[in-house]
Amino acid sequence: KQEVTQIPAALSVPEGENLVLNCSFTDSAIYNLQWFRQDPGKGLTSLLLIQSSQREQTSGRLNASLDKSSGRSTLYIAASQPGDSATYLCAVRPIQGAQKLVFGQGTRLTINP
Amino acid sequence: GAGVSQSPRYKVAKRGQDVALRCDPISGHVSLFWYQQALGQGPEFLTYFQNEAQLDKSGLPSDRFFAERPEGSVSTLKIQRTQQEDSAVYLCASSSGSGFQETQYFGPGTRLLVL
Repeated sequence: KQEVTQIPAALSVPEGENLVLNCSFTDSAIYNLQWFRQDPGKGLTSLLLIQSSQREQTSGRLNASLDKSSGRSTLYIAASQPGDSATYLCAVRPIQGAQKLVFGQGTRLTINP
Repeated sequence: GAGVSQSPRYKVAKRGQDVALRCDPISGHVSLFWYQQALGQGPEFLTYFQNEAQLDKSGLPSDRFFAERPEGSVSTLKIQRTQQEDSAVYLCASSSGSGFQETQYFGPGTRLLVL
């Protein structure tokens, strides 16, 4: 059974710092991995989608990498801003049971002005 | 350019009541998903529709949970005889096709509290 783990569960950093969020998964048989952002009381906003054949994706100040063989992904946020404060979730789309996303428990990020 | 919408946004139910949660996917989206998110946890898959066909309901926690999408657009998740452990946020998502590479777009969720 695919399991997704995110470390740390919570992170608080001063504004302007670069930071890395970690995601690991137990089964490398995936179609893709996706990073989402969730604001309190809101739904999920997709940030980056990395196909299994790709190594990384970039969008603005965000960069996500994928090492499928080792079951790891990182989300790098450059020059953090208070508006980046949210919960960040990673999810994999397993080859078996491919219609469902399997999520980690999230990292709650706080950027302090 | 409406996204996925869900109603109601908040629902308080007494234990034992039946509830119905509605999802309006993005127009024309073939695939529709329901997830359950407990407090402080990531979402967990409940069920999946391709058009009106429910192709996967492996995540439904008990036979008290029932979902339908009769015309291949709007979907309803029904929970019968609600229990306190059903308290959670219920998220709906849709995607344009049925391919495995596609992004799922999520609604704001319905927060259910069972007293």
